[in-house]
Amino acid sequence: EIVLTQSPGTLSLSPGERATLSCRASQSLSSNSLAWYRQKPGQAPRLLIYGASSRAPGIPDRFGGSGSGTDFTLTISRLEPEDFAVYYCQQYGGSPRTFGQGTKLEFK
Amino acid sequence: DVLLVESGGGLVMPGGSLRLSCEVSGLTFRTYSMNWVRQAPGEGPEWISFISSRSNYIYYADSVRGRFTISRDNARNAVDLQMNSLRGDDTAVYYCVSSMGEIYFDHWGQGTLVTVSA
Repeated sequence: EIVLTQSPGTLSLSPGERATLSCRASQSLSSNSLAWYRQKPGQAPRLLIYGASSRAPGIPDRFGGSGSGTDFTLTISRLEPEDFAVYYCQQYGGSPRTFGQGTKLEFK
Repeated sequence: DVLLVESGGGLVMPGGSLRLSCEVSGLTFRTYSMNWVRQAPGEGPEWISFISSRSNYIYYADSVRGRFTISRDNARNAVDLQMNSLRGDDTAVYYCVSSMGEIYFDHWGQGTLVTVSA
C-alpha cells in the first residue's frame, strides 16, 4: 500500500497570503497519479486537482498543483476565506487508492 | 447539477447489519464507476469499495472484505453497500463517490453517518 505523508499538519496564514502544501508518497507514482481535495467543515471533500496539475471543472486558477515521482505540492496563490479548510492528497497509481492524513489551513 | 444522495445510515449494535443506498442524478450513471469512501471522526478519508460501470469489476479494502458487499442497478441509477458483522471501527461517515475508473474521485454525496455501538 502506498502511504502519503502530508506536511505541515497545520498551516496558519491570513487571507490574501500564499499557501504551499506538501504531499510525499512512499513510492513513485506512475503518470503523476495524484489528486488534491478541499474539505470544509461538515462537508464532503471536493476535487481540486487531478493528474498532479490539472484543475477540476469549476476550480479557480488560484489553485495550482505541481510535482512528480514522490513529491507533490498544492499552491494556493491568494487565500480566500473559503479556503480555510482541510486539504487531502490521494494517489491512484497503486492499489488500494489511499489518502494522506490531511493539512489543516487555519486563520492566523 | 450532479447529485448523489446517500441513505440508510444510523446506530447499530456490534455484529449487526446495515444497508446503505445511494441515488445518483445529473450524470450518465451507466458510464461511471462507483465507490464507497468512509471517514472516521477526525481522520482522513478511506476508500473501501469499488464497482465498475457494468459490475464486472468489484474490489474491497482489506478492512471490509468478506463483511461488506457492493452492488449497483443501472436502471435505478443507484448503488448499494450491504454491511454485515459491523464493528466499532466501522463507525464513520460513509460517502457515495463516482469515478471514471480506478482513479480520482470526482463527485461526492453529502455522506451518511454509521455509528456502531452497544
